[in-house]
Order: sequence, then structure tokens, then C-alpha cells
Amino acid sequence: KNEVEQSPQNLTAQEGEFITINCSYSVGISALHWLQQHPGGGIVSLFMLSSGKKKHGRLIATINIQEKHSSLHITASHPRDSAVYICAVSGGETSGSRLTFGEGTQLTVNP
Amino acid sequence: NAGVMQNPRHLVRRRGQEARLRCSPMKGHSHVYWYRQLPEEGLKFMVYLQKENIIDESGMPKERFSAEFPKEGPSILRIQQVVRGDSAAYFCASSPLSQLALTDTQYFGPGTRLTVL
Repeated sequence: KNEVEQSPQNLTAQEGEFITINCSYSVGISALHWLQQHPGGGIVSLFMLSSGKKKHGRLIATINIQEKHSSLHITASHPRDSAVYICAVSGGETSGSRLTFGEGTQLTVNP
Repeated sequence: NAGVMQNPRHLVRRRGQEARLRCSPMKGHSHVYWYRQLPEEGLKFMVYLQKENIIDESGMPKERFSAEFPKEGPSILRIQQVVRGDSAAYFCASSPLSQLALTDTQYFGPGTRLTVL
């Protein structure tokens, strides 16, 4: 079992829909990261959070430390949101600051 | 402020050759991480370096792979005697990571796509 599990693996939505991607982890962490990998391969850090909730534009990330679970929400989705969304954790006792990644969620938003 | 730079962006090598991948961190960042993404797989940690020090190389294959981050110049990931299984995207990330912080945002470079023929 991977230390970081994401669901779903693939997600197809219509433009305007509200999207949720889930991430569960099984190790102690200091922070959880959400990343976006564009179709061209580049990786952008969207959020780093250790508690509560963060919002940036149409993106919202939440984390529940007790349940070891995080969600990434996209409101009013748009075709340009199509990308792979990756959950990663860091700051564990044995892992230090390096990132441990989930397998990613391929999101496709159709017009 | 330039982001993390990697070069080359694409690298083609024949089996048995050496591959050198370079990473220049963001200005002011002294921590560099290398990650590998094999085809159709997720990202995996390889090595974590600070200037002139390897902090964690637990993700590096034991043979043929080495990394350095000299006092001056970029970080280098070196793969000797490449094999087809080394074909992957190699990403570098940097962070400022203060001494008090256990973790910090990592900023990724565009990656080097290595193809071994």
C-alpha cells in the first residue's frame, strides 16, 4: 500500500462543474502539498498546508490531520483546468523535507 | 526572479553513454531535490542536496547514479552507462527551507526528458 493514495485516478467533468479530488496518507507529516502537472509536463505547486483550509482563486484545499485526509476542490471548472493533480506529503519522521507523491489524478474538463 | 532552470530540456543518449542533467535553483534557494518520473508512473524522490552536501540519497539507485551541488554552479545529476530503463523525466526542485522549518514549498523546474536508445 502506497503511503499516499489519491482518488479518483481519472476524472472527466463538464465545464462549470464542481470538482473534488481526494488524498489519504498513512504516515505522520508536517505538510501536504497539491501540485498541478500540465499536459506539457511542467509542475506547479498549488498549495502547501498543514492544517485547515486554503483558497486561491477557484481552488480550495482542505486537510484533516486527525483523519489523514485532504481534498482539492475546483469550483466552476474550465477546460484549462485539465491537468494531472498530484498530492504529496513531506516532513515525516523518516522522510524529512523530501516529497512523497500520490499517483496523481488525471482531470479532463470538457467544454 | 528567474525560476528553477534545468538543462537540457531533452536529452537523447545511446545505451552505455553518460547523461548529465543540470539544475540551477531559484535565487536564494540553497536546497535542491531531484525527482524521477518514469513513463506512466508517479514521481519518486531521488536525492536531496544542500550546497556541497548530500543530505539524503535514499532514493538513488546504488549504481551508476550520482549527484552533486557544488559551492558554485548548478546541481548535477549524473547517470553513467545509461540503460533503456533510465528513460524518464527528471525534475529538479528547490526550496529556501529555513533552519526552523521542517518543510517548505518546493519550486519545480521544467524537467529533463531523457531518452535512451
